Amino acid sequence: SQQGEEDPQALSIQEGENATMNCSYKTSINNLQWYRQNSGRGLVHLILIRSNEREKHSGRLRVTLDTSKKSSSLLITASRAADTASYFCATEKSGTGGGNKLTFGTGTQLKVEL
Amino acid sequence: DGGITQSPKYLFRKEGQNVTLSCEQNLNHDAMYWYRQDPGQGLRLIYYSQIVNDFQKGDIAEGYSVSREKKESFPLTVTSAQKNPTAFYLCASSMELSTDTQYFGPGTRLTVL
Repeated sequence: SQQGEEDPQALSIQEGENATMNCSYKTSINNLQWYRQNSGRGLVHLILIRSNEREKHSGRLRVTLDTSKKSSSLLITASRAADTASYFCATEKSGTGGGNKLTFGTGTQLKVEL
Repeated sequence: DGGITQSPKYLFRKEGQNVTLSCEQNLNHDAMYWYRQDPGQGLRLIYYSQIVNDFQKGDIAEGYSVSREKKESFPLTVTSAQKNPTAFYLCASSMELSTDTQYFGPGTRLTVL
């Protein structure tokens, strides 16, 4: 099964609202990353949070990490129609010895309506 | 999509034929990766390569093969042994081991008829 599991699977909101997506994982990690994918395109890296960090901000993005609960959340504030995409969390397991193997979750499909 | 290109964007093949997907990067990255994505699902790692002339199996390597003869190129061959090859294939690269971010190409959608 996937190391990361996103929740919800799909989310539909109005422009201007905030969108929150959650990711749970199973093993100890070095870091957790969030990626965005527009339909039929490649993934784009959004933000990385390391295991010793609890919160990180980048523009309208806020990511939290709770290693005791093995979970992370991605908050997009003041959403725009252009934020419509699928969002994936990806974890790098601790002790992987290099090679930067990431394990991706199943994704949350976000739709922002005008 | 950064400095990674994948070609072609769409590929159609008959069942039983081998097909090779191209991935080229001009980011001077050491590590490269191939993922498979099925509808509504996340990415699964097929193969990865940390340096030239070296590559390792990922989680779903059966029915696939790769080569890494040049730093810039990491082609993926989908062989006739792959039982369900129709999928969206994504190539990615990253810098040396200490770098965490992966940069993705635009993907190739393979349909086997």
